[in-house]
Amino acid sequence: QKEVEQNSGPLSVPEGAIASLNCTYSDRGSQSFFWYRQYSGKSPELIMFIYSNGDKEDGRFTAQLNKASQYVSLLIRDSQPSDSATYLCAVKIPNQGGKLIFGQGTELSVKP
Amino acid sequence: DGGITQSPKYLFRKEGQNVTLSCEQNLNHDAMYWYRQDPGQGLRLIYYSQIVNDFQKGDIAEGYSVSREKKESFPLTVTSAQKNPTAFYLCASIGSTDTQYFGPGTRLTVL
Repeated sequence: QKEVEQNSGPLSVPEGAIASLNCTYSDRGSQSFFWYRQYSGKSPELIMFIYSNGDKEDGRFTAQLNKASQYVSLLIRDSQPSDSATYLCAVKIPNQGGKLIFGQGTELSVKP
Repeated sequence: DGGITQSPKYLFRKEGQNVTLSCEQNLNHDAMYWYRQDPGQGLRLIYYSQIVNDFQKGDIAEGYSVSREKKESFPLTVTSAQKNPTAFYLCASIGSTDTQYFGPGTRLTVL
């Protein structure tokens, strides 16, 4: 069983809509959660991290964490074509030297 | 400018050949990581190092070797024992905010 799971997509939304990306994880002891954006052929870049239950907002991006349900999501408001990329969810494994477990990524396509 | 550099950007390997991928950082980060990414897949951890002269195997260490003689450098050698090395290789380091930052990557192709 995979430790971090994401829908692979592709997820297609129209420009200006809200894109919702979801991630579930299996290790209940996980404390830190990260969302990375990866454009084709490029390395991942950090969008947000979240440690506490609830919502964390940064511009058009909102990360949501529910530890009881072992669920973390990323909302992108007012989606733009430049948001088209693969979004990787990563979970830090406790007491393993900062090791991250990555989901397989969700491909997002924002149509003009 | 502070950051993580990887070289070369593209690398071609012949059968039976060892190749070494470079990773350098000037962020003064203690911990460094090597990941492999296959098409349509997430990242899988190969090796990581939390301090100089110490490193641990990740999930897919077979066929790879590393060294950490300096804080700034964490080179990865892909040996001939790695039977399917064609992939995108990413180096990362971790800062005080517990966040991993990635270099630009090296794309390795077996000829």
